[in-house]
Amino acid sequence: DTGVSQDPRHKITKRGQNVTFRCDPISEHNRLYWYRQTLGQGPEFLTYFQNEAQLEKSRLLSDRFSAERPKGSFSTLEIQRTEQGDSAMYLCASSLGAGASGEQFFGPGTRLTVL
Amino acid sequence: KQEVTQIPAALSVPEGENLVLNCSFTDSAIYNLQWFRQDPGKGLTSLLLIQSSQREQTSGRLNASLDKSSGRSTLYIAASQPGDSATYLCAPPDNYGQNFVFGPGTRLSVLP
Repeated sequence: DTGVSQDPRHKITKRGQNVTFRCDPISEHNRLYWYRQTLGQGPEFLTYFQNEAQLEKSRLLSDRFSAERPKGSFSTLEIQRTEQGDSAMYLCASSLGAGASGEQFFGPGTRLTVL
Repeated sequence: KQEVTQIPAALSVPEGENLVLNCSFTDSAIYNLQWFRQDPGKGLTSLLLIQSSQREQTSGRLNASLDKSSGRSTLYIAASQPGDSATYLCAPPDNYGQNFVFGPGTRLSVLP
């Protein structure tokens, strides 16, 4: 399967714990995006990478959130000191090209539940 | 700031009907727009990417049009089937052309 993969698919954690999600993009794609989606809403942009460089972060990405894409391949999104409001679906997407010019392909998402 | 609306929010139709889903955006200086489908609890599946140089893009029973001047895109679904039941989302680029802004989606239910 050469699509975008995400791990884990589901994560249940207690408030205050740290969690880390992984995204493996389509191998030749230089752009990688993270989004958050809550029930009944469209995805909201969090951050994106051009190769290994993180080029933009949304104001939604508080200082408890950090993302990396070492070597321009897979990416991780870490949430520290989780809060109940962090409960959402976290989606990863990848594309090829400059700017928002390429077709985006999404992974299956990681559903986070914070108790 | 790019803002996206989709009308209707929800739609329920009998099988076989032809449908039009509408997407409006505020910043018309875009070079493409993408339509997605999302099944409950799943990720997004790309349906069509329409470039600003194109007026229409077709894939099977789906046809998307883009009118930059009016800030609108429509997704036409011909001969709807129960398997088309899903949420449909449109996403133009943001004001800087670096990432995508999603609408809230249209939740479609096609009844057998």
